[in-house]
Amino acid sequence: SQELEQSPQSLIVQEGKNLTINCTSSKTLYGLYWYKQKYGEGLIFLMMLQKGGEEKSHEKITAKLDEKKQQSSLHITASQPSHAGIYLCGGGRSGGYNKLIFGAGTRLAVHP
Amino acid sequence: EAQVTQNPRYLITVTGKKLTVTCSQNMNHEYMSWYRQDPGLGLRQIYYSMNVEVTDKGDVPEGYKVSRKEKRNFPLILESPSPNQTSLYFCASSLRRGDYGYTFGSGTRLTVV
Repeated sequence: SQELEQSPQSLIVQEGKNLTINCTSSKTLYGLYWYKQKYGEGLIFLMMLQKGGEEKSHEKITAKLDEKKQQSSLHITASQPSHAGIYLCGGGRSGGYNKLIFGAGTRLAVHP
Repeated sequence: EAQVTQNPRYLITVTGKKLTVTCSQNMNHEYMSWYRQDPGLGLRQIYYSMNVEVTDKGDVPEGYKVSRKEKRNFPLILESPSPNQTSLYFCASSLRRGDYGYTFGSGTRLTVV
């Protein structure tokens, strides 16, 4: 099983709708990172959360990290077709010299 | 432009034919890493390097080799590719240890037949 579980695996929404993607770890993480991947392309760094309870926003995307630093959510408000892609959460793991472990990803499609 | 460059983008090869996927970064980053991405499994780390001549295994190193002779380059070598190495490969770099804000390359889609 994945060390980082993402849900849902895939999501189809109508343009303008809000949506939330979740990322859960069984262990405390040294930072939680959200990336976006366009199909078949590289990953683009979105946000980094390091402190328990932290929340960050960029444009219409908000990410939160719970107090235990084991669960994060990514919320998109008023989704647009440009938000479509694969969202991956990555967690920092100690002792691994910058090893970032990733969830399996959430595929998002936004229909006009 | 600051970037991680991988080549080739696409590669189809036959079982057992040695190949190298190149990775180069122009940001003077100390840390570089290779990941493979497979459906349902996400990204898994193959090898990483903390600096020149310092490399170590990630989670799935079998069948791969790496070298770090220069700071900017981190090639991935498949000495005898097999079909189970068919995957999408990503090279990533970060400034230093403890910096998880990786910059990723655009990926190399490898098919081994």
